[in-house]
Amino acid sequence: GNSVTQMEGPVTLSEEAFLTINCTYTATGYPSLFWYVQYPGEGLQLLLKATKADDKGSNKGFEATYRKETTSFHLEKGSVQVSDSAVYFCALETNAGKSTFGDGTTLTVKP
Amino acid sequence: DAGVIQSPRHEVTEMGQEVTLRCKPISGHNSLFWYRQTMMRGLELLIYFNNNVPIDDSGMPEDRFSAKMPNASFSTLKIQPSEPRDSAVYFCASTPSPKEPQHFGDGTRLSIL
Repeated sequence: GNSVTQMEGPVTLSEEAFLTINCTYTATGYPSLFWYVQYPGEGLQLLLKATKADDKGSNKGFEATYRKETTSFHLEKGSVQVSDSAVYFCALETNAGKSTFGDGTTLTVKP
Repeated sequence: DAGVIQSPRHEVTEMGQEVTLRCKPISGHNSLFWYRQTMMRGLELLIYFNNNVPIDDSGMPEDRFSAKMPNASFSTLKIQPSEPRDSAVYFCASTPSPKEPQHFGDGTRLSIL
């Protein structure tokens, strides 16, 4: 079956530090890949997506590139802010219409 | 555009009571999902519907849980009887088609005493 493995947290960084959260996946076919973010007391919301190999998704300074050869979709940001503190979920979805989510990585950014 | 709307936002009730959670998906979205989130188990898919038909309910914990989608604009998740271990945040999400991102509601925080 499909699976998503993401970097265990929690991750604590200082403001303006570089962020990487690793995500690897196993899937049949050609899934779409997503990063979602969840702020306290809220539901998950889409951060960025990529639909085919070598696509780069980007939003709010975050980026992730769909790497089929390494089955990875690592999330990066060059300079994090306190407001980026949240839980980040990597996910994939295939034509079957059912998403598979990673376990989530909690990020805390300190001023 | 209105997002996915869930009600109630919070529910506190005693064990043994029936609990009904409600969800209104985004208009035009064909798939609807119910999730449960806890610290211990993370985000779990309970059931999902496509065009109002349940496709996969393998995540429903036991017979105490049931879900319905009588039409394209409304779904319910019912727990009867409720138990303290059902305490969690329950999310509803919808998506227009496969391989598109899901849109989540703000969740229902359920506490069973």
